Amino acid sequence: RKEVEQDPGPFNVPEGATVAFNCTYSNSASQSFFWYRQDCRKEPKLLMSVYSSGNEDGRFTAQLNRASQYISLLIRDSKLSDSATYLCVLNQAGANNLFFGTGTRLTVIP
Amino acid sequence: DTEVTQTPKHLVMGMTNKKSLKCEQHMGHRAMYWYKQKAKKPPELMFVYSYEKLSINESVPSRFSPECPNSSLLNLHLHALQPEDSALYLCASSGLPHSYEQYFGPGTRLTVT
Repeated sequence: RKEVEQDPGPFNVPEGATVAFNCTYSNSASQSFFWYRQDCRKEPKLLMSVYSSGNEDGRFTAQLNRASQYISLLIRDSKLSDSATYLCVLNQAGANNLFFGTGTRLTVIP
Repeated sequence: DTEVTQTPKHLVMGMTNKKSLKCEQHMGHRAMYWYKQKAKKPPELMFVYSYEKLSINESVPSRFSPECPNSSLLNLHLHALQPEDSALYLCASSGLPHSYEQYFGPGTRLTVT
């Protein structure tokens, strides 16, 4: 069983739409959670860390549900520039290596 | 400044060549990482250095040899690679012990001929 599972998509949405990605994890010892975005042929860039209380950064909202072992990312008012692959990432207590989901491909269409 | 730099950006090498990839960060981070990424796949962890000591080697073949000369620098020495080693090689760093957020460099795109 994979540490992190993500729907690979692709998600094709019109500009201005709201889109949500979910990600589940298998190890309850997972401690820190992140969303990264990766543009084609570029490096992953940290989008946001995910906290138990949920957090928001502009059009982006991240949620963590420890009981159900999933995290989510909501993007409101999608822009063309949001087109990218979104990676769900976590680490486990006592370890400094990260576990990556396979990524969800988002294309925002004009 | 959350910048990690990597050189070279692109590298083409033959199977008998020896080359090195370099990575540098000046954020005071004490953990540095090498990842390998193939097209349409997530990054795969290769090595982790914590406080300049190798702490994780994910069963990487010995033709890849990491080196951490100091807390800001990380090298990956390459020798006798195979065509299937062609990939994007990413370096990252994180600010142990307080933060597990990793910041990635732009990567070196390696082609083995």
